[in-house]
Amino acid sequence: GAVVSQHPSWVICKSGTSVKIECRSLDFQATTMFWYRQFPKQSLMLMATSNEGSKATYEQGVEKDKFLINHASLTLSTLTVTSAHPEDSSFYICSAHRPGGGSEAFFGQGTRLTVV
Amino acid sequence: QQQVKQSPQSLIVQKGGISIINCAYENTAFDYFPWYQQFPGKGPALLIAIRPDVSEKKEGRFTISFNKSAKQFSLHIMDSQPGDSATYFCAASIGYGGATNKLIFGTGTLLAVQP
Repeated sequence: GAVVSQHPSWVICKSGTSVKIECRSLDFQATTMFWYRQFPKQSLMLMATSNEGSKATYEQGVEKDKFLINHASLTLSTLTVTSAHPEDSSFYICSAHRPGGGSEAFFGQGTRLTVV
Repeated sequence: QQQVKQSPQSLIVQKGGISIINCAYENTAFDYFPWYQQFPGKGPALLIAIRPDVSEKKEGRFTISFNKSAKQFSLHIMDSQPGDSATYFCAASIGYGGATNKLIFGTGTLLAVQP
């Protein structure tokens, strides 16, 4: 079964509003989680590394004030898209590694965000 | 240096045939090379992975071939089935075994297996 779960699976929001996406590790604690963005028929682009108890590390070109990441517990990281615009419409995916499980990354099922 | 180049962009294979997808990298510090399978509207799922100390790894119908000197690795799907139709991504990371290792993804290959 799934070891990393995202919620919601899809969301539609109005332009200018904020949307929160949750990523949970179901049966292990994850001090680090990763957030990706994927446009249709394109690859996964790493947006940021979410660190439990500290600030997220953002990749170059990603607006940290627009994509707020909070990793408040060892099993939950959230991505909030603030003041969403149609160009933020995308597929957002999180991942985490199981401690002691080598380098295998477990991905959530993804969240389809549509901004209208 | 951080890129992973993947080809072909799309691939059509007849049922029972062999699907071959290739990837190349530049950064010799990469030490973990996984392949992920992604179905539409779903997150990627690990298919098979290899480390640079071996030249080949096989799991069922899936085989990774790794050429360290050429900095290339490939995925072979034997006896391809319609259920294998999906997008395949190669990836690479540094620091095998670490939970903080960032994956660098290839551009993806859309595989269609015709019945």
